[in-house]
Amino acid sequence: DVQLTQSPSTLSASVGDRVTITCRASESISTWLAWYQQKPGKAPNLLIYKASSLQSGVPSRFSGSGSGTEFTLTISSLQPDDFATYYCQQYSDFSRTFGQGTKLEIK
Amino acid sequence: EVQLVESGGGLVHPGGSLRLSCAAFGFKFRSYEMNWVRQVPGKGLEWLSYISGSGGTTDYADSVKGRFTISRDNAKNSLYLQMSSLRAEDTAIYYCARDDGAASYYFDYWGQGTPVTVSS
Repeated sequence: DVQLTQSPSTLSASVGDRVTITCRASESISTWLAWYQQKPGKAPNLLIYKASSLQSGVPSRFSGSGSGTEFTLTISSLQPDDFATYYCQQYSDFSRTFGQGTKLEIK
Repeated sequence: EVQLVESGGGLVHPGGSLRLSCAAFGFKFRSYEMNWVRQVPGKGLEWLSYISGSGGTTDYADSVKGRFTISRDNAKNSLYLQMSSLRAEDTAIYYCARDDGAASYYFDYWGQGTPVTVSS
C-alpha cells in the first residue's frame, strides 16, 4: 500500500500568513491526491482533488500542487475559519490511504 | 442539497456485531459509488470499504476484510455496514462518504458520523 507522510504535524501561524503543508508518498501516485479540511467534531471537507483542482465552493486562497511523490497544499492568506486539521489522501491504488494530518493552530 | 445521515452506532461487546446505516438525500443515489471511513477520536482517517453504484463490486481494507460487509439498497437510498467479530480497536467514529463521480476514489460528501464503542 502507498504510505503518505505529512509535514509538519503541527503548524502555528497567524491570520494573513501564507502557509504550506507537504504530503509525501512512498511511491509515485501521479496526481491522484486529494486534500481535506476537518474541524473538531465535524466530518472532513474536500478542498482539492487531482492534486491541484479546487473543489466547487472552496475559497481560491486554497491551492494544491505537485505530482509523483511530493505534494503541497497552500493557503495564501490565512483566515480565522482556516484553523483546522488538514489531511491528504491518495487514490492511486485501492488502499485509498490518508496522511496522518497536519493541525493548523493560531500563533 | 446532498445529505448523508448515518445511524446505528453504539456500545457493543468485543466479539459482537453491529449494523450501521447511511441514508442518502438530494442526489441520484444509484449513480454514485459509496464508502465507509472511520476515525479513532483524536486520530487520523482510515478508509474501510467501497461499493459500486449497482452494488456488484465491493472492496475492503485489510483491517476489516472478512469481518465487515458493505451493502446498499438503491430502492431505499441507503448504504449499510455490517460489522462482526468486533474488537476494541474498532472503536471509532464511522462516516459514510460519497465518491465524487465514477471511479474517482476520493470523497466529496460525508455524513456527520456515528460513534461505535467496543468495550466489555
